Amino acid sequence: EAGVTQFPSHSVIEKGQTVTLRCDPISGHDNLYWYRRVMGKEIKFLLHFVKESKQDESGMPNNRFLAERTGGTYSTLKVQPAELEDSGVYFCASSRTVYNEQFFGPGTRLTVL
Amino acid sequence: DAKTTQPPSMDCAEGRAANLPCNHSTISGNEYVYWYRQIHSQGPQYIIHGLKNNETNEMASLIITEDRKSSTLILPHATLRDTAVYYCIVRRIQGAQKLVFGQGTRLTINP
Repeated sequence: EAGVTQFPSHSVIEKGQTVTLRCDPISGHDNLYWYRRVMGKEIKFLLHFVKESKQDESGMPNNRFLAERTGGTYSTLKVQPAELEDSGVYFCASSRTVYNEQFFGPGTRLTVL
Repeated sequence: DAKTTQPPSMDCAEGRAANLPCNHSTISGNEYVYWYRQIHSQGPQYIIHGLKNNETNEMASLIITEDRKSSTLILPHATLRDTAVYYCIVRRIQGAQKLVFGQGTRLTINP
């Protein structure tokens, strides 16, 4: 069974540009989560999808971040426009149900210059 | 969610058992104890979880005290590949399903 995959593994962009991160959950997992770690800080929750619906988006920092999960399969996280403080590692996780453990992808390292 | 307290760092010799403590004195009856770890540059990896009984799987054992205010993760025969940051997380059975990560314990396995 393939694990959670994320693309790209690294992204370097300039301030003001747009970046889209992609997450492919484990097949059959209805629940998809985004987390991030910014430099020197703890891993923080961003949002949670159940299929294509946003269940909890309490961790989204501001309206420059847009997450989608059309069709309830893969998800994208768009940052537009990117700011310096958005630099960090963005993790995606998935679980079969909300009661199961979450499996994490390898993360996307975003650097905003 | 209840907060957890872990030592910032620990060392263990290769081949010995690594015992990682966690305090969660404000845990409520509807909260599980979860353990994850993050090996350098990888995503967090699920290890084990429990409610009130001790649990064991192929990776580790979880010992939860009777009052549930603390727990210990045991890696029975630590290897160099177990060097990682270990996170103890309290998570509600129902309701918000996000994981709340603290600083964790940086475990270093020494040869």
